[in-house]
Amino acid sequence: SQTIHQWPATLVQPVGSPLSLECTVEGTSNPNLYWYRQAAGRGLQLLFYSVGIGQISSEVPQNLSASRPQDRQFILSSKKLLLSDSGFYLCAWIGEATNEKLFFGSGTQLSVL
Amino acid sequence: TQLLEQSPQFLSIQEGENLTVYCNSSSVFSSLQWYRQEPGEGPVLLVTVVTGGEVKKLKRLTFQFGDARKDSSLHITAAQPGDTGLYLCAGVSNSGYALNFGKGTSLLVTP
Repeated sequence: SQTIHQWPATLVQPVGSPLSLECTVEGTSNPNLYWYRQAAGRGLQLLFYSVGIGQISSEVPQNLSASRPQDRQFILSSKKLLLSDSGFYLCAWIGEATNEKLFFGSGTQLSVL
Repeated sequence: TQLLEQSPQFLSIQEGENLTVYCNSSSVFSSLQWYRQEPGEGPVLLVTVVTGGEVKKLKRLTFQFGDARKDSSLHITAAQPGDTGLYLCAGVSNSGYALNFGKGTSLLVTP
């Protein structure tokens, strides 16, 4: 069965520090992968998506970047965090057979202080 | 980016009441999805509607896709405290790869 792993679950970082959030998917190949950010109790903002290794599409300009070094690995990074980068970050994937259904990871709550 | 507007933003009702939440856009979507999210967790898919005018029922939840495939509604009959959560609608973007989400309706059902 397919599973998605996202870590860490919570993270507290000082302003100006780097960031690396990792997401891996098991049980599927060539998934479309996504990073979303969610403000407290509100909707999801699409940050990046990837349809294949090394292919990254950015939806909004920001202080973050994404990379896909392997088929089932998606990484969200920042060189220097801002206060506004705080939020709940969700990784998600769609497989070819899932008819556009998104499967979400359990999320990372990032607090930048 | 195709925008999805959800209303109301917040809704607090008592157990047993009925409610309807809406998801509207000026764009046409090939399909719309409804998710429910609990605090600290990722959203979970409830239903996908594909055909204009389509109505789907999931126990006490009724989902409808507008004829023009620009809007959708979710009706809950006899709400229960377990229905509490953030309800999100999402539509596939023009690129065909990404799901764009509305800001959600936060529902609180009190006993």
